[in-house]
Amino acid sequence: KNEVEQSPQNLTAQEGEFITINCSYSVGISALHWLQQHPGGGIVSLFMLSSGKKKHGRLIATINIQEKHSSLHITASHPRDSAVYICAGGSQGNLIFGKGTKLSVKP
Amino acid sequence: DADVTQTPRNRITKTGKRIMLECSQTKGHDRMYWYRQDPGLGLRLIYYSFDVKDINKGEISDGYSVSRQAQAKFSLSLESAIPNQTALYFCATSDSGGRGRTYEQYFGPGTRLTVT
Repeated sequence: KNEVEQSPQNLTAQEGEFITINCSYSVGISALHWLQQHPGGGIVSLFMLSSGKKKHGRLIATINIQEKHSSLHITASHPRDSAVYICAGGSQGNLIFGKGTKLSVKP
Repeated sequence: DADVTQTPRNRITKTGKRIMLECSQTKGHDRMYWYRQDPGLGLRLIYYSFDVKDINKGEISDGYSVSRQAQAKFSLSLESAIPNQTALYFCATSDSGGRGRTYEQYFGPGTRLTVT
């Protein structure tokens, strides 16, 4: 069993839909990271959270420490949100990564 | 200019050749990391360094070595490349935590390495 698991593996949505990507982890972590990998390969950090909820624009990340579960939500999805979304759990910067969720938003 | 740079961006090499991938950062971060990404496997940690004198093996260090020449530079070497080292390699940096600082990681653009 992978220590960090994401679901779904692939997700296709219509523009404007509300999207949820889930991440479960079995290791002890001090923070949960959400990353976005663009089709060209570049990776950017979206969120780092250790409790509660964070919001940036149309993106919302939540974490439930007791249930070892995090979700990434995208409101009013747009084709430019098409990317691979990766969650990673870590302690003091050392991360274990999920395999990613490939999101495709159709116009 | 990008905060984390990697050279080369693409490289094709032959089995048995020695190759070095270089990473430089201008963020002033103490910590640097090398990852490889394979389709279906996600990112995996090869080596990490918490400062110039502190280098540690990651999950998949066999066949690789690293050098932390300065706070800003962290190089990954494949002493004798083999085809299953064909992958996308990423360098990343992070702060070392503490008051007002986070472990958020900043990634370089990646190096696509092909070993034939």
